[in-house]
Formats: sequence, C-alpha cells, structure tokens
Amino acid sequence: EADIYQTPRYLVIGTGKKITLECSQTMGHDKMYWYQQDPGMELHLIHYSYGVNSTEKGDLSSESTVSRIRTEHFPLTLESARPSHTSQYLCASSEFLGASGDSYEQYFGPGTRLTVT
Amino acid sequence: QQQVKQSPQSLIVQKGGIPIINCAYENTAFDYFPWYQQFPGKGPALLIAIRPDVSEKKEGRFTISFNKSAKQFSLHIMDSQPGDSATYFCAAGYNFNTGNQFYFGTGTSLTVIP
Repeated sequence: EADIYQTPRYLVIGTGKKITLECSQTMGHDKMYWYQQDPGMELHLIHYSYGVNSTEKGDLSSESTVSRIRTEHFPLTLESARPSHTSQYLCASSEFLGASGDSYEQYFGPGTRLTVT
Repeated sequence: QQQVKQSPQSLIVQKGGIPIINCAYENTAFDYFPWYQQFPGKGPALLIAIRPDVSEKKEGRFTISFNKSAKQFSLHIMDSQPGDSATYFCAAGYNFNTGNQFYFGTGTSLTVIP
C-alpha cells in the first residue's frame, strides 16, 4: 500500500470559506500531483510539482493554489470556496526515474471529498 | 480535448466471465500505458502497465493487449470474481526531461455478479 496520506477525507463547508487540503507522502518522491475527479469523468490534473519550490498548473484550470516547501508535503488551498468546487480531490506522487526509467507509477492517496454548500 | 477515450462506461458480467475494457489514444508520444483499479472510498491503485514495444502483458488474471498501429489497448480480466467489482481507469503517459505526465480515461464501472 502506498504511503501517501490526505486529510481531511470528507469536508462540507460553506461558500466563501478558505480551505486547505493536506497531502503528505513518506516515500521521498520528487513529483507530486493534484487531480480532480468527478463521477463518470476522467481524472483531471490541476497542479503538479517536480520538487521543492516547483509548482505548475495542470491541464484543468483551477482557482486553487498549491505550495511545495517540503518534499513530503503538497497542500492545496482554495481562498474562497464555491459550490462549483464540489468534487473529489486526489493527491498522487511518483519518483523521477530519468528518461530510461522502466516505469513511472503514480501512487494515489485516498482522496478528499469536498462539498461546498 | 480528451487525450484517452475509454469504453464502456459500465460493465456487468457473471462470475467467471471475461470483461474487456477498451481504450484509444491519438498522441504517439505516449510511451507508457497503465491501468488503475479504484474501489469506493479509495484512491486509484496501479493494476498493470505496458510499454508500446510489446503487444501483450499478463499479470495473474489481468492481461493488457496493445495495438500500436491502431493506437488502442485493452484490459481483459480472466475468471472474473465479485472482488474485481471496481472502477477501472486506463491512462497514457510520457516522460520528458523534468518528469512525466499522465492522461486518464473516464473510467469503467465493473460489476461482477456472483
């Protein structure tokens, strides 16, 4: 089982509140990712990081922000939650094996189910 | 634009049946094709993966068939069991100089009836 943790697992919050979704991994992986997952839809990459102080936006536009101050920690923040942010958020990590790497599996956390009322 | 197209959206089979899930892609830069299994309340977990230089890979009851010319790949589950009931995602990824990126299909909800 992958050593990647997300808290909280479930969150119901009112519109306009600031929230931070926590993600930590103990595998020492360089790369970390945030995905948004809705029923019947593909996982959409919203943020990624290739190391400390490195963050990039993914393909899906998101009003959230991320930070990577420590290798093991990759929190996601919403400054002002809205009902359109209701979704499942999945954090993942992987190890960079270089161009000749045999595989580059992404390990996923259990997810945070966010509901904004 | 959806990079990886997956079908069917849902699938119901009897125990012992062989469900088949199909995926197609367009970007020939993809060089890694994993399948993920996700149970309710859990994150996706890697099931099996293949590189485009092989046409088939088996791990236990799970087999990936890969057709490079058609840009299609599929997952076969032999002797399916009720415990295989889950959502399955295909993905395609590629490596570049600073890391890698994956694109996922929309998922297939599999139900195996006892």
